[in-house]
Amino acid sequence: DGGITQSPKYLFRKEGQNVTLSCEQNLNHDAMYWYRQDPGQGLRLIYYSQIVNDFQKGDIAEGYSVSREKKESFPLTVTSAQKNPTAFYLCASSHGTNYEQYFGPGTRLTVT
Amino acid sequence: EDQVTQSPEALRLQEGESSSLNCSYTVSGLRGLFWYRQDPGKGPEFLFTLYSAGEEKEKERLKATLTKKESFLHITAPKPEDSATYLCAVRVQGAQKLVFGQGTRLTINP
Repeated sequence: DGGITQSPKYLFRKEGQNVTLSCEQNLNHDAMYWYRQDPGQGLRLIYYSQIVNDFQKGDIAEGYSVSREKKESFPLTVTSAQKNPTAFYLCASSHGTNYEQYFGPGTRLTVT
Repeated sequence: EDQVTQSPEALRLQEGESSSLNCSYTVSGLRGLFWYRQDPGKGPEFLFTLYSAGEEKEKERLKATLTKKESFLHITAPKPEDSATYLCAVRVQGAQKLVFGQGTRLTINP
């Protein structure tokens, strides 16, 4: 079955630690995205990538970093510079940036 | 600034009671409007894409329509399994991203 996987489902970290969230897709999509979802707010774009080895900042990139070494994979690192990292993180992919996006199941990150 | 507003924030209906959710947008140039369904603790599930005013799409009990300023998601004779948060998003001209509304939380009581 084609789809998007995110791991882990739940993640707990201490303040000051970097953490990497995994996102893999087997849909052969070119574009991949990372969003953050907070209660009462719409999804906000963190980073996106249209092709391998290239990515662009979204609206809230500060404190985050990404890489795109393979078409299938787009990991997100939440660094200690992110002031409020506790949130639900969603990865998505699409054939291109002009097409509908399909989402993974999400990772809930809690930093204490 | 491109903006998407969904109303109401929450809607509670009885099973079989039809209604509509609203998504209004102010954008510089619409290049697609998207509807998603999201269950608690899960990722959004794609429902529809609409590109031009007057366009309609249907899937089971859901029908999405689009005008020049807003979109409606009509729910006909809903069932409890239709309970979810419904998200609306737009792609604007020249942008590679979607702008999302805050969502409408729909509850269908049996």
